[in-house]
Amino acid sequence: ETGVTQSPTHLIKTRGQQVTLRCSSQSGHNTVSWYQQALGQGPQFIFQYYREEENGRGNFPPRFSGLQFPNYSSELNVNALELDDSALYLCASSWTGSEKLFFGSGTQLSVL
Amino acid sequence: GQQLNQSPQSMFIQEGEDVSMNCTSSSIFNTWLWYKQDPGEGPVLLIALYKAGELTSNGRLTAQFGITRKDSFLNISASIPSDVGIYFCAGYTGTASKLTFGTGTRLQVTL
Repeated sequence: ETGVTQSPTHLIKTRGQQVTLRCSSQSGHNTVSWYQQALGQGPQFIFQYYREEENGRGNFPPRFSGLQFPNYSSELNVNALELDDSALYLCASSWTGSEKLFFGSGTQLSVL
Repeated sequence: GQQLNQSPQSMFIQEGEDVSMNCTSSSIFNTWLWYKQDPGEGPVLLIALYKAGELTSNGRLTAQFGITRKDSFLNISASIPSDVGIYFCAGYTGTASKLTFGTGTRLQVTL
């Protein structure tokens, strides 16, 4: 059984650029959630994808968007990057409606 | 966004000591979870609690779901060096697998 994998592990971008982060869910899981973790803080819910559609969203602007693919993998896209977007982005997979999330190791994004 | 309050913020203990930490919220949750995060890694689920008053153990870890449903507690007995990390509580209301995380308790263990 493979766990949640994320790529890339680290990324450096400049303000105004766009970024795409990728996530492969744990085998058997059909739901993917994305979280943003700023330095010294707990993870904050961005959104969740189920059946290739957004199924719940946190307090993040529309420039944060996502996709889920038929194999349940997912992408997080962030447009018009801002300095405050610098954070660890975590992907988590689960069964539908389950509270038990299994996290990947994250992508560390730095915006300069 | 909302974050749950955890205390203490950090703690330094000696190997073999017991540890207690707690998490409080202004909102009610249906489920409480405790996660541990090591440097450079994502959070790993330790314990899940489903009923007010519930006490659940996982090895040396014991967690409780507060009777008001607005708080939870985690105890670690006989700490060892690999217990080092950041412990997060998380509350779940049943909506879209959205977890609300706490601010974290950083645990350091000295030999």
